[in-house]
Order: sequence, then C-alpha cells, then structure tokens
Amino acid sequence: DARVTQTPRHKVTEMGQEVTMRCQPILGHNTVFWYRQTMMQGLELLAYFRNRAPLDDSGMPKDRFSAEMPDATLATLKIQPSEPRDSAVYFCASGLTTGSSSYEQYFGPGTRLTVT
Amino acid sequence: AQKITQTQPGMFVQEKEAVTLDCTYDTSDPSYGLFWYKQPSSGEMIFLIYQGSYDQQNATEGRYSLNFQKARKSANLVISASQLGDSAMYFCAMRELNYGGSQGNLIFGKGTKLSVKP
Repeated sequence: DARVTQTPRHKVTEMGQEVTMRCQPILGHNTVFWYRQTMMQGLELLAYFRNRAPLDDSGMPKDRFSAEMPDATLATLKIQPSEPRDSAVYFCASGLTTGSSSYEQYFGPGTRLTVT
Repeated sequence: AQKITQTQPGMFVQEKEAVTLDCTYDTSDPSYGLFWYKQPSSGEMIFLIYQGSYDQQNATEGRYSLNFQKARKSANLVISASQLGDSAMYFCAMRELNYGGSQGNLIFGKGTKLSVKP
C-alpha cells in the first residue's frame, strides 16, 4: 500500500528557530506539492516540483521558506527563521503527470507545526 | 475572485440518508479536473473522486458520485447511504491543465463540515 510519508508528524519550536519538514513521495510519482492548511486561509499551495525541478513556488514567502528535492525520494520544506504565523499543518502530496495530463494527488499525513 | 466556492460551511445528515455537498468553480481553461477530498478529524486528506472536464459521464466511486453540470460550473458531491464514518470536512478542488501557469496544482475550496447523525 504505497503512501506519502512525512516527518515529523508534529513539531513545536520557538520563534527564530529553523524548521525542516521532510516528505517521501510515492515511488514512481513525478510531481510533488507542498500545501499549508490554516483555519483562516484553508489549503494553500506553497510550491511544487515536477521531475525534481521547481515549477511554482509563488505561494511561498521567499525570505524565510525554501523547498528542495535533493533526489526523487525526498522533498524538503525549510523555514528559517520560523515565526508564530507559520503555525499550520503542512501537507506534502505526490502525483503523476504525463504530458498535459495530471492525475489525482495523494496526500501525506501532514506535519503539524507550532511556533511559540 | 474565488475559483472554488463551497457555500455550505456545515451540514447535517441523518445516517443512511443521501447528502449533496455543493461546489461551484470558475475557470476559463477548457481543460480542467475536479476533485473531492475528505479530511476526517485525524487530519489526513483522502482522495475520493475525480471528474475531468471532457468526461461525458458523471464520475462514481462506490457511495460517492459527482454531479457534474458543466454549463453551470458545478461539481456537487453526492454521498449515498451516509455512515457515521462520513463525518468529516470535505474539500472540492480544481486543477487547470492549460492556462494560469500553475499546471498541475490543486486549488481548494474552503470546505464543508459534514456531520452524520445516528
């Protein structure tokens, strides 16, 4: 049963600290997405990659957030320095895109981040 | 303007009855996909059903069906024979395939909280 995995599941940190969230997409999927969910804003796209190349990170605050895919089995989202307003659930999702066809995205369990 | 609108913040349904969750969308892209996800209290996002803009028939997956009315730009989710385990947040989402520069990513609605009463 292939699943997207995310670590850590929960993270509590102090303002100013660096936070790194990791995601392992489903094997064979070539597209990876990072979403953030808050009560106020709902689900927002932060960044996404296709074949490990960043295609869109316009939803991400560039001054403190960075997203990378060092290899096909690992995607990372880093916040440095973290702020209380970054408190949210961060979801990673993976999917398969071929040509102009994209299929359903499978979500990981999320990382619940609390910045105090 | 919102691309995905879910007008029902919360809904109640009696167990074993059917329920329709509304979703309207806005796009000028002729090629798009519509999705429904379920998010139970545990937090995970579970894919339920998909409808492509060129699909002639409404999508169905078990007790889930998507009432796709293209001219009205609506993609309502119908859950038949509700079960207690259906209590969750339900999100409608759209993916535009040709325009907008963000090919592939999902745009989500605000969600509808469904509560199934025994």
